[in-house]
Amino acid sequence: EIVLTQSPGTLSVSPGERATLSCRASESVSTFIAWYQQKPGQAPRLLIYGAYSRATGIPDRFSGSGSGTDFTLTIRRLEPEDFAVYFCQQHGGSPPWTFGRGTKVEVK
Amino acid sequence: QVQLDQSGPRLVKPSETLSLTCAISGDNVSSDGVTWNWIRQSPSRGLEWLGWTYYRSKWYSDYAVSVRSRIIFDADTIKNQFSLHLKSVTPGDTAVYFCARGGPNTPVSVFQFWGQGILVTVSS
Repeated sequence: EIVLTQSPGTLSVSPGERATLSCRASESVSTFIAWYQQKPGQAPRLLIYGAYSRATGIPDRFSGSGSGTDFTLTIRRLEPEDFAVYFCQQHGGSPPWTFGRGTKVEVK
Repeated sequence: QVQLDQSGPRLVKPSETLSLTCAISGDNVSSDGVTWNWIRQSPSRGLEWLGWTYYRSKWYSDYAVSVRSRIIFDADTIKNQFSLHLKSVTPGDTAVYFCARGGPNTPVSVFQFWGQGILVTVSS
């Protein structure tokens, strides 16, 4: 199965600054990467799929990029509600669909 | 708006069967172009996709290798819900269990709508 490695484990950022999160796949997944945001006690929330397509209702300060094995989620101008854990997931080819272990974005 | 409402026991004894149900509103369990998924989350395993079920003229299910010998999904078209049954549980199956829908406005393997999650503890 495809292993996704996210870095860093924790990212300390000040509100209003940019956050850049990385996700690396153990083999090429083309552009079949999704990103989710999760807050404590809640289900994950879909942000991005197909590496760069924003899900319905997601603000344009969230953007995704990458292809092959290296992907990035960028959050420009962090808002207070953006401090959370972010997961990547590969969604191409055939199951199993796998997730990264997450990056926690915390207040600096 | 699609809503998924999960129900089931929070505590299951080792060797017993864990059964959870996901009731659907705003969609139909036999809709074309969607998949109905179970995903669990624990500190040791992270987010783990357990499998999916979907209807394409007949019912299909596919399960993760890690649980394939112990898991069954079923769907109830009358009650508009789907269920997970995980047999012979161990403490390693302790996790928050989520149901989720894939598709149709996203790829079927992308999960836009999720249930609220249920923490299931396996303990005697």
